Amino acid sequence: GESVGLHLPTLSVQEGDNSIINCAYSNSASDYFIWYKQESGKGPQFIIDIRSNMDKRQGQRVTVLLNKTVKHLSLQIAATQPGDSAVYFCAENNDWNSNSGYALNFGKGTSLLVTP
Amino acid sequence: KAGVTQTPRYLIKTRGQQVTLSCSPISGHRSVSWYQQTPGQGLQFLFEYFSETQRNKGNFPGRFSGRQFSNSRSEMNVSTLELGDSALYLCASKPTPIQETQYFGPGTRLLVL
Repeated sequence: GESVGLHLPTLSVQEGDNSIINCAYSNSASDYFIWYKQESGKGPQFIIDIRSNMDKRQGQRVTVLLNKTVKHLSLQIAATQPGDSAVYFCAENNDWNSNSGYALNFGKGTSLLVTP
Repeated sequence: KAGVTQTPRYLIKTRGQQVTLSCSPISGHRSVSWYQQTPGQGLQFLFEYFSETQRNKGNFPGRFSGRQFSNSRSEMNVSTLELGDSALYLCASKPTPIQETQYFGPGTRLLVL
């Protein structure tokens, strides 16, 4: 079936470096993507989203890139800080149903570890 | 504006028991979704409620059920607990089902012994 997956389960970066977290999706009909950050003991926190009519979207220290040709999504974090250590999830939102609305399909997550 | 709140935060039950978890959405949000999070399966969608009606349902057995009240608060119930039900149960809210971005609560950590 359709799936959202992550290339790497763990990523270790040094403080101050840039981080890139990747995500692949298989459903070409996906039209909306979201990145969430989940810190230990907390629920997922919304970071940034992007629609399929865009290739790039920037937030504060974060950038999401969408490559529809290869069905690939990435999250770039600039000047990574210790507080960025968390699990990052991508999710796609494509199951539109006129009765039920949208459903999110989450990837398994990538653990980002920022070392001093 | 207060975020999504979930109670209790931690719960220990034994096999065969039943459990009820509670979720209060962000004020003004009327759509509430529930997810189960485990290390092996990741985040899996359980169901979504809007206007006290279940709008969408994931692939979980009938032991998992939920409901929503007129004030948009939601509860989920798991009957006849199994060891595999040990997980973090997350609630997320959004204004209506047509919005795509959901906001999550801190979760309820359930341990089944």
